[in-house]
Amino acid sequence: GAGVSQSPSNKVTEKGKDVELRCDPISGHTALYWYRQRLGQGLEFLIYFQGNSAPDKSGLPSDRFSAERTGESVSTLTIQRTQQEDSAVYLCASSLPGGVFGGVYEQFFGPGTRLTVL
Amino acid sequence: AQSVTQLDSQVPVFEEAPVELRCNYSSSVSVYLFWYVQYPNQGLQLLLKYLSGSTLVKGINGFEAEFNKSQTSFHLRKPSVHISDTAEYFCAVSPLERDDKIIFGKGTRLHILP
Repeated sequence: GAGVSQSPSNKVTEKGKDVELRCDPISGHTALYWYRQRLGQGLEFLIYFQGNSAPDKSGLPSDRFSAERTGESVSTLTIQRTQQEDSAVYLCASSLPGGVFGGVYEQFFGPGTRLTVL
Repeated sequence: AQSVTQLDSQVPVFEEAPVELRCNYSSSVSVYLFWYVQYPNQGLQLLLKYLSGSTLVKGINGFEAEFNKSQTSFHLRKPSVHISDTAEYFCAVSPLERDDKIIFGKGTRLHILP
């Protein structure tokens, strides 16, 4: 597609339920990132994928959070037993590989999924 | 570890006036520096980045930023703002040896007053 897409755009759930957030990166972008943006806060790094491996999971806030990626395409962020503090906008970004793979490439962001936990 | 401080959470500016959005960072290693912009109801997009070379970096929409290593700052400027510049602006840093992990500031909301 033309850009990074995320679904759903909005998700309202009850405390204790599980949710799945989806990210479709730009075709050919091997690197994929998940961030969380709480109201009035900056972007909080959650996890980074290079292909379908995740060399950096250090940002996942608890074991209720997990993420998977199929090949070099779709990624799913799963939050189990949601809590009210999980309410935030979850942003996905993709890029060509940077760092040890050469270069510093721009991250392209999706529009985000706004999660509200009641 | 790296950190980014954006000193102003909101900046009101009259249309056609100049603006400066401040960003300071701390890092024990050399870093790349970025400014991203988030227009209302849209995703973030890159405004400009500093990797090396000239400390004055020009970006899209007439914005520029200057890297000051001694002051560990990367302030964003525009000589004359327009109503369309209303957005949230995020400063970010990434360590050279591990540029995949970008640390973002909390953002500065730019309000353009008519």
